Amino acid sequence: EDKVVQSPLSLVVHEGDTVTLNCSYEVTNFRSLLWYKQEKKAPTFLFMLTSSGIEKKSGRLSSILDKKELSSILNITATQTGDSAIYLCAVRERGNEKLTFGTGTRLTIIP
Amino acid sequence: SQTIHQWPATLVQPVGSPLSLECTVEGTSNPNLYWYRQAAGRGLQLLFYSVGIGQISSEVPQNLSASRPQDRQFILSSKKLLLSDSGFYLCAWTPAWDRGNEQFFGPGTRLTVL
Repeated sequence: EDKVVQSPLSLVVHEGDTVTLNCSYEVTNFRSLLWYKQEKKAPTFLFMLTSSGIEKKSGRLSSILDKKELSSILNITATQTGDSAIYLCAVRERGNEKLTFGTGTRLTIIP
Repeated sequence: SQTIHQWPATLVQPVGSPLSLECTVEGTSNPNLYWYRQAAGRGLQLLFYSVGIGQISSEVPQNLSASRPQDRQFILSSKKLLLSDSGFYLCAWTPAWDRGNEQFFGPGTRLTVL
């Protein structure tokens, strides 16, 4: 079964637009949710969320977790061409050494 | 500082040939190590993970295997590759003191099986 689902699968927007990426999960003992950005090769870490309702922010990127809705969103404001990438969401369960990744959202920013 | 290496970066192999991908981590001890596969445009599928030397957990039944002969070395192998083994293989690690948090990824190996 799909434990981590991301939407949309792909998104194409113009430079300067704001985008919202979604991640929903279904796990038994939630511990944390992580967002990664993957350009050409290795994914790079963006955020880790453990508490509901607390926004994490880094420049134009921000993310928040909703434990009641079992979901998280990643916002990118004033998008730039350098934001083009696959954005991956992953969930870790308590007592588990593993991360379960979603299928990712491919974001393309048109100049 | 810690670094993670993977090689080769790119590999083209015929169907039925063997495979050996290597991953090493520097600057840390007793890390958790992970092998992922990523099909084109898709998310990461966990293949194996290891919490210590000789300890391997397999997530997906397949014709691949993994070994951890040394503390900071993780090897992904196959005796006979299939077409479906093509993909981007990523190794990752988490530090022993912080296994609950982010994973750090290597540069990956792009494998094409013809």
